Amino acid sequence: YELTQPPSVSVSPGQTARITCSGDVLPNQYAYWYKQKTGQAPVIIIYKDFERPSGIPERFSASTSGTTVTLTITGVQAEDEADYYCQSADSSGTFVFGTGTRITVL
Amino acid sequence: EVQLLESAGGLVQPGGSLRLSCVASGFTFSNYAMNWVRQAPGKGLEWVSMISGNGGSTFYADSVKGRFIISRDNSKNTLFLQMNSLRGDDTAVYYCAKREFQLGFDPWGQGTLVTVSS
Repeated sequence: YELTQPPSVSVSPGQTARITCSGDVLPNQYAYWYKQKTGQAPVIIIYKDFERPSGIPERFSASTSGTTVTLTITGVQAEDEADYYCQSADSSGTFVFGTGTRITVL
Repeated sequence: EVQLLESAGGLVQPGGSLRLSCVASGFTFSNYAMNWVRQAPGKGLEWVSMISGNGGSTFYADSVKGRFIISRDNSKNTLFLQMNSLRGDDTAVYYCAKREFQLGFDPWGQGTLVTVSS
């Protein structure tokens, strides 16, 4: 199965960025979001659809609707420029990552 | 502090083998499932394999099934990935990652580059 994301999103500082992730498993499985800066390992920023780990800024939020989940960054900052990946699972114990979205802060 | 440290990867010829290891610290290793995730140069993340805390259950992506073997030594807090019959499309940075039920992959190791080329 696949999770589809837009390849890129551009946003000006202080504006709101939204990244969608679409897949047939999403109504039945939790979604997770990871941020990966260039040359670094990914870091989890959202778990169980919309929960935020400690230390992740409140400007990161997420929502779900049917087969689409959305990551929202409210008040984008320069440090948010990175690649973002959604991730989910299937019932057989395997996992899949989305295709990834590059956020560019103009 | 939870830390994951992968062994050095390296250059291996097509058809060859390589074993990666990942040493964990800062948590009770045997209580958690562990995973390998890879990222080909300039590409996205690809989940590779998972092993349960006691090592009794293993799962693989179709792309590596039958070629890669995940294992762990809980007495040494170490995760392994034995990679056999390597191909050019296995070239990637390989990350180990701890997974807690419903909490996602967290944290990740720093990654190690495996290059398959003649």
